[in-house]
Amino acid sequence: ETGVTQSPTHLIKTRGQQVTLRCSSQSGHNTVSWYQQALGQGPQFIVQYYREEENGRGNFPPRFSGLQFPNYSSELNVNALELDDSALYLCASSPLTTGLITGEQYFGPGTRLTVT
Amino acid sequence: AQKITQTQPGMFVQEKEAVTLDCTYDTSDPSYGLFWYKQPSSGEMIFLIYQGSYDQQNATEGRYSLNFQKARKSANLVISASQLGDSAMYFCAMREGGYYKLSFGAGTTVTVRA
Repeated sequence: ETGVTQSPTHLIKTRGQQVTLRCSSQSGHNTVSWYQQALGQGPQFIVQYYREEENGRGNFPPRFSGLQFPNYSSELNVNALELDDSALYLCASSPLTTGLITGEQYFGPGTRLTVT
Repeated sequence: AQKITQTQPGMFVQEKEAVTLDCTYDTSDPSYGLFWYKQPSSGEMIFLIYQGSYDQQNATEGRYSLNFQKARKSANLVISASQLGDSAMYFCAMREGGYYKLSFGAGTTVTVRA
């Protein structure tokens, strides 16, 4: 069984640019969530997708947007990058059955974004 | 207000000893779930253990156990027989109600000494 995968691993962008992060959910998982983890802090919830629809959003501006595809993979787009956007971006997927009951989420290795 | 509070920024533990990581939470929702995750230096968050608010028994998963004290709103993680590979950052997280978003604490760094 393949786990959650993310690409790219690392990314360096300039302030004002746009970036797209990608996530492939674990087989059988239909819910994908995105989190931002600044250095030395816990992850902060950005957005969640369930069966291609947005299922919830955290306190992030509209320039953070994304979508989920029919195969349940997902993209997170960040426009007009700011220096504070530098962080580890984590994608997490939830199982079809137990996840609906417990809410457990399985995380990918993350994408390290550096904005200069 | 912080939903999850982890007051220990860092801890040292001797190999083969047990260590307890503190976590307190704040919610008014009667239905919630509590999670512990391990994050090694590689960055990936590894799911360790889950406790539901209605679960009568404390959760256990191998060397991990969760000391759930509902009235005190605490969910401490106990790692027994520590191993060098347990050195990592540990996060407590909570899901409230039917919403699947997780709220994380600031984390506790555990360093296991040989």
